[in-house]
Amino acid sequence: ETGVTQSPTHLIKTRGQQVTLRCSSQSGHNTVSWYQQALGQGPQFIFQYYREEENGRGNFPPRFSGLQFPNYSSELNVNALELDDSALYLCASSSQGYGGETQYFGPGTRLLVL
Amino acid sequence: AQSVTQLDSQVPVFEEAPVELRCNYSSSVSVYLFWYVQYPNQGLQLLLKYLSGSTLVKGINGFEAEFNKSQTSFHLRKPSVHISDTAEYFCAVSDLDTNAGKSTFGDGTTLTVKP
Repeated sequence: ETGVTQSPTHLIKTRGQQVTLRCSSQSGHNTVSWYQQALGQGPQFIFQYYREEENGRGNFPPRFSGLQFPNYSSELNVNALELDDSALYLCASSSQGYGGETQYFGPGTRLLVL
Repeated sequence: AQSVTQLDSQVPVFEEAPVELRCNYSSSVSVYLFWYVQYPNQGLQLLLKYLSGSTLVKGINGFEAEFNKSQTSFHLRKPSVHISDTAEYFCAVSDLDTNAGKSTFGDGTTLTVKP
């Protein structure tokens, strides 16, 4: 059983550019949640995808968007990058997406916006 | 809306000493509660969670936590820490009424175990 994987591990972009981050969920999981973790802070919920549909969103602007594919892997897209978007982006997978379920986190993608 | 407050940003402790990491939460509805650990350059790993039933929850690596509804707290404890427990620890809550699996996290407590 493979765990949650994310790519790339590190990324450097300049302000105004666009970025796509990728996540492969754990085998058998159909739900992926994305979190932003700024330096020195806890993760903040961006959104969740359940069976290819968005299923909940946190307080993030529309320039943060996502996709989930039929194999349940997922992408996070961020347009018009801002300096404050610099953070560790974590994805987590689970099998149903309900509040008490265990989420399995990937190692994250560290994004630096210059 | 939910919020989580981790009362100590840093906790230094000597090896083999007991430790308690404190977490208070605020919510207008019933919640599930979690503790996660994050080692450097890694993602989060679940230590334990409270869903219902017994208020004392046992997790991995010898950690346990006690849910106190009246004090809205969920403190994490370990009777004897090891150097390898040095890491960032996060308390989190999820709303019982949501299907979204959305979790609200605290800002973390850095546990440093000294020899």
